[in-house]
Amino acid sequence: NAGVMQNPRHLVRRRGQEARLRCSPMKGHSHVYWYRQLPEEGLKFMVYLQKENIIDESGMPKERFSAEFPKEGPSILRIQQVVRGDSAAYFCASSSGQGDVDTQYFGPGTRLTVL
Amino acid sequence: AQSVTQLDSQVPVFEEAPVELRCNYSSSVSVYLFWYVQYPNQGLQLLLKYLSGSTLVKGINGFEAEFNKSQTSFHLRKPSVHISDTAEYFCAVSGNAGGTSYGKLTFGQGTILTVHP
Repeated sequence: NAGVMQNPRHLVRRRGQEARLRCSPMKGHSHVYWYRQLPEEGLKFMVYLQKENIIDESGMPKERFSAEFPKEGPSILRIQQVVRGDSAAYFCASSSGQGDVDTQYFGPGTRLTVL
Repeated sequence: AQSVTQLDSQVPVFEEAPVELRCNYSSSVSVYLFWYVQYPNQGLQLLLKYLSGSTLVKGINGFEAEFNKSQTSFHLRKPSVHISDTAEYFCAVSGNAGGTSYGKLTFGQGTILTVHP
């Protein structure tokens, strides 16, 4: 049973370029979460999506960041016009959305470096 | 809203010694509690979780944690550590409303456990 997959694992962008991070949830999972881990900090929640719906985007920066989880295909976290402060590890987690506690399982992360 | 405080940023310990990683939380609602481990350049792996019932929770790799509601704590323990336990450990909470967890997890800052031979 494949776990949560993220690609690319490492991404280098120059300031002003766009970054696209992909997340394929575990088989049977329809809920996806994105977290950001800045250097020397813990993980911070960004956004929670179900298929074709954004459930909670309270952690998303107001500008340049967007996320989607289409009916078919992976979830995408998109960062437009990247700046050096966007350099971080971005983790995706997925859950089944069933049961009393929706345990989240994490992918290996995408490490974004902005030059 | 919830917050999590991990009281120690780094914990060095010798192999086969016991260890305790401390976690305190605050929340205006009931919570579910989690411990995750992160090995270098990898994602987070779930160690254990507290949902309800017994306050002592056992997880993988010999770890256990005890939920203390009055002290709002969820400390992680292992009676005898191995070199392979060297990693960063994160405590996390999610809100619990009517028996169903909210989506997002709130994490502590992490504790780096280093096991020395």
